[in-house]
Amino acid sequence: NAGVTQTPKFRILKIGQSMTLQCTQDMNHNYMYWYRQDPGMGLKLIYYSVGAGITDKGEVPNGYNVSRSTTEDFPLRLELAAPSQTSVYFCASSYSRGDREVNEQFFGPGTRLTVL
Amino acid sequence: GIQVEQSPPDLILQEGANSTLRCNFSDSVNNLQWFHQNPWGQLINLFYIPSGTKQNGRLSATTVATERYSLLYISSSQTTDSGVYFCAVNAGNNRKLIWGLGTSLAVNP
Repeated sequence: NAGVTQTPKFRILKIGQSMTLQCTQDMNHNYMYWYRQDPGMGLKLIYYSVGAGITDKGEVPNGYNVSRSTTEDFPLRLELAAPSQTSVYFCASSYSRGDREVNEQFFGPGTRLTVL
Repeated sequence: GIQVEQSPPDLILQEGANSTLRCNFSDSVNNLQWFHQNPWGQLINLFYIPSGTKQNGRLSATTVATERYSLLYISSSQTTDSGVYFCAVNAGNNRKLIWGLGTSLAVNP
């Protein structure tokens, strides 16, 4: 298994441009997440999804949109990029197991985004 | 919401030394994970350990859920152990991981 993969690895955007960060997992996990990590900080949750067709906001959703049309893919869309969105973006996935909730999250390699 | 505190914030070791990193959390948790973020920014799962003790090579972790803390032990440290170690938790029906600020570890040769 490749696990969680993200593209691109790096991107520079100009203010006002838009882009989509791609995330794919091949572990058949039902839950997927997008986080951002600012310098010297832990990760903050942007959006998450509990399954295809279902998404919900995290702590810092403003300026972002997501969709989940398949189990494998969870793209993150930035509209009208702003310097405040300069960050490293991580996608993650997890699974539920039986009656007991298991939320071990597995992370992709990250996308480093700079908005100038 | 749950608060997660990690200590120490920074740690410098000589290669071969042992260390203990601590994670305190303010409420009961369903899930606790330890991660290593290497100098290239990659997040590596170390342990999924909501309670009990686990070992993986030179690393081991213990979570005492009733006392709301977890410890990560690194033995015979190597330069490749350098990076930031994060503790993250979630609780109740909330699947969102709440992160500590990390312990930045530098292992010198």
